[in-house]
Amino acid sequence: EPEVTQTPSHQVTQMGQEVILRCVPISNHLYFYWYRQILGQKVEFLVSFYNNEISEKSEIFDDQFSVERPDGSNFTLKIRSTKLEDSAMYFCASRSTEAFFGQGTRLTVV
Amino acid sequence: GQQVMQIPQYQHVQEGEDFTTYCNSSTTLSNIQWYKQRPGGHPVFLIQLVKSGEVKKQKRLTFQFGEAKKNSSLHITATQTTDVGTYFCAEASQSSGTYKYIFGTGTRLKVLA
Repeated sequence: EPEVTQTPSHQVTQMGQEVILRCVPISNHLYFYWYRQILGQKVEFLVSFYNNEISEKSEIFDDQFSVERPDGSNFTLKIRSTKLEDSAMYFCASRSTEAFFGQGTRLTVV
Repeated sequence: GQQVMQIPQYQHVQEGEDFTTYCNSSTTLSNIQWYKQRPGGHPVFLIQLVKSGEVKKQKRLTFQFGEAKKNSSLHITATQTTDVGTYFCAEASQSSGTYKYIFGTGTRLKVLA
């Protein structure tokens, strides 16, 4: 069964450092998403991406965040200068008729 | 902003008991999707409901969409320990030609053997 792959599974970073979270969506999907989930809380929408551009973003997705699809397969989320409150599980998803989520990257900012 | 609330927030049941979670919105929903997230896992799509009053079943799971399309429910009959996890409803909201998924607050189910 096709799946969305995310790397790394866990990232620990110093506050103020840049991190890049990587995702390989399902190959024939056209719509891509990043979500985050703070421990014990609900899944929050960050950004949607279609046709090589952002189609929608939430209030959480400020200037510190960016997304890219550099090579037609990978889909990345960059956080330029991490803050303690960025610590969360970050899920990538891709969609045809339904959304498939990756296993997530647990980001810990110390 | 758009809010999709779920009740209860937590539910503990004995194995074999039934379980229901409710999803409520202040606005009319275009559709509703249900996801299950096992502890430490990622959301997994269960089903989508689109029509007013729609009812769908998957084995022991029954999903219902309200007549006014402002609420939905998921009912599990005779829970098993494998049902443990958090159940989220989500609306696929379309704008700018694409969808985003607005998740509810989730109901965490614990099944006691």
